[in-house]
Amino acid sequence: NAGVMQNPRHLVRRRGQEARLRCSPMKGHSHVYWYRQLPEEGLKFMVYLQKENIIDESGMPKERFSAEFPKEGPSILRIQQVVRGDSAAYFCASSPRLGLAIYEQYFGPGTRLTVT
Amino acid sequence: DAKTTQPNSMESNEEEPVHLPCNHSTISGTDYIHWYRQLPSQGPEYVIHGLTSNVNNRMASLAIAEDRKSSTLILHRATLRDAAVYYCILRDQGGSEKLVFGKGTKLTVNP
Repeated sequence: NAGVMQNPRHLVRRRGQEARLRCSPMKGHSHVYWYRQLPEEGLKFMVYLQKENIIDESGMPKERFSAEFPKEGPSILRIQQVVRGDSAAYFCASSPRLGLAIYEQYFGPGTRLTVT
Repeated sequence: DAKTTQPNSMESNEEEPVHLPCNHSTISGTDYIHWYRQLPSQGPEYVIHGLTSNVNNRMASLAIAEDRKSSTLILHRATLRDAAVYYCILRDQGGSEKLVFGKGTKLTVNP
């Protein structure tokens, strides 16, 4: 059973370009979370999605960032017009969820974005 | 933000037990105590969680104080592969899905 997959693992973009980060959850998981880890800092929640729904985007910057989790295919975190401050490791996690039970989140290896 | 307090760093020797403390004095009755760890250059990894009773799994043990205001993650025999940042996180059942990471404890394991 493959774990959470993220690609690309490393991404280099020039300022002003767009970055697209992909996340395929574990088989059978319908909930995806995105976190960002700035250099020498802790992980910060960005957004929580179910298929075709954004459930909680309280951690997303108001501009340039968007996320989707379509009915088919991976979840996408999109950053438009990247700036140097966007350089970070972006982690995706997935979990099942049934009712009110809280399940552990399984993390992918991350995408390391470098903006030059 | 995170409602837990952990030491910034700890050191251990290989094959010795490690006790990683976490204080959560404002824990509510419905908060579960979760532990994750992050190895260098990797994504976080779930370790263990519990509510009131002590818990054991193949990775670690979780000892929860009777008043639930503190807990301790126990690695019974540290290996070099256990060197990581360990995060203690409170999660309210039925509450927010997101994990709120604090600074965690950086564990160094000496050979």
